[in-house]
Parts: sequence; C-alpha cells; structure tokens
Amino acid sequence: GAGVSQSPSNKVTEKGKDVELRCDPISGHTALYWYRQSLGQGLEFLIYFQGNSAPDKSGLPSDRFSAERTGGSVSTLTIQRTQQEDSAVYLCASRLDENTEAFFGQGTRLTVV
Amino acid sequence: GNSVTQMEGPVTLSEEAFLTINCTYTATGYPSLFWYVQYPGEGLQLLLKATKADDKGSNKGFEATYRKETTSFHLEKGSVQVSDSAVYFCALKRGYNKLIFGAGTRLAVHP
Repeated sequence: GAGVSQSPSNKVTEKGKDVELRCDPISGHTALYWYRQSLGQGLEFLIYFQGNSAPDKSGLPSDRFSAERTGGSVSTLTIQRTQQEDSAVYLCASRLDENTEAFFGQGTRLTVV
Repeated sequence: GNSVTQMEGPVTLSEEAFLTINCTYTATGYPSLFWYVQYPGEGLQLLLKATKADDKGSNKGFEATYRKETTSFHLEKGSVQVSDSAVYFCALKRGYNKLIFGAGTRLAVHP
C-alpha cells in the first residue's frame, strides 16, 4: 500500500489475554518503530528495528511486551497477559533511510477491560 | 540522555492570532529536530524539520529555527486558522537512533 498500515484499528480484550498488533510498513523502508500513546500523554518509544541490526528494545515497559519483524518487512507487537494500564493507541512508523521522514500508521487503539 | 521538553497545553487562541509553542531539547552531539502534527482522527505527520544549527524548517505557514545556543526549536505561526487545531509534537533524532518525542501540545483555535 501507499502508507503504513496497522491492524486491527481497534481491539478490545479481556485482562489477562494475549494480543498481537500488526504493522505493514511502506515497502522498502528499512527502519520501523513502535510507539505507545496513552490518553493525554505523549509518544512513548517501545522498540526500533533498523535493517538487519539488533533491535533497540530499550523502551519495552515489561517482559510481557515483545516484537518481531519478519523478513525485514511486517512487524508484530505482542502483549502477553494484558493489563488495564496497557490500554493505549499503539503507533507504528517506518522510514526509508537516515535522511528521510518517518511515516506513521493510523494506530491500533487497544482497550483492556 | 536525549530528551525533548515542550510547553504544556492546551493552547487556546483566536483565529489569526500569533502562535508559539516552545520546545527545548537535551542531546549529545548534533541531532536533527522535527515538528510532527496530529490532526483529529488522523495519524501523525511530519510538519517540518531542521538538520543542523541555524536551519529554519517551514511548512504551511509554520516555522521553527534550530537554535544550538539555546537548545531550542520553537514552533511559530503568524496567523493561525481553525484548521490548525491539532496536537503538535516536537522530536529529535540522532543518527540511526530512535525518534524521541515531547509530550505534545494541544492547540485549539476558535473562530
């Protein structure tokens, strides 16, 4: 597609369940980011993939969070044993290279009930 | 570590008023600086950027100048419109590292 695509757009899950959020970056983009935006808050960095380098996982809030990027393209963010404080909009962005802008998807709104 | 601090919102202005949203940063070396905007119901999009000291980024009537001496990148617009109502995020990036965002500033412009 022309832009960064995220699915699902909305997800309601019960506390304790696992969820998977998907990001399809723009074709050819080597860098991919996941951020979290809680209500009224800024963007919290979660994880960053750059080409074949080891990902920067420094923003993952706990070991319940993990992400992978298969084949340098699609990425999946997995949250295990969800908690109510995980409720937020999860944003994905991709970038072609160092000198170009990052393009953001519309986000996945996760609600844990 | 690297960080971005921007003024808290919300900022409420009348149409055609002058806008300033302050942004200061802490970073080692020489980061690139950005302003992103999030319109209601839409994803984040790049508004403008500057990659070195004294550069001025501009777009849609908005401007920001990279001030190394004051470590600032304040966003300005001479005459805001209702359609400028959005959340504005200041951000920095160093090299191949991650984008670091400020907390965001909500702007509401009234007719």
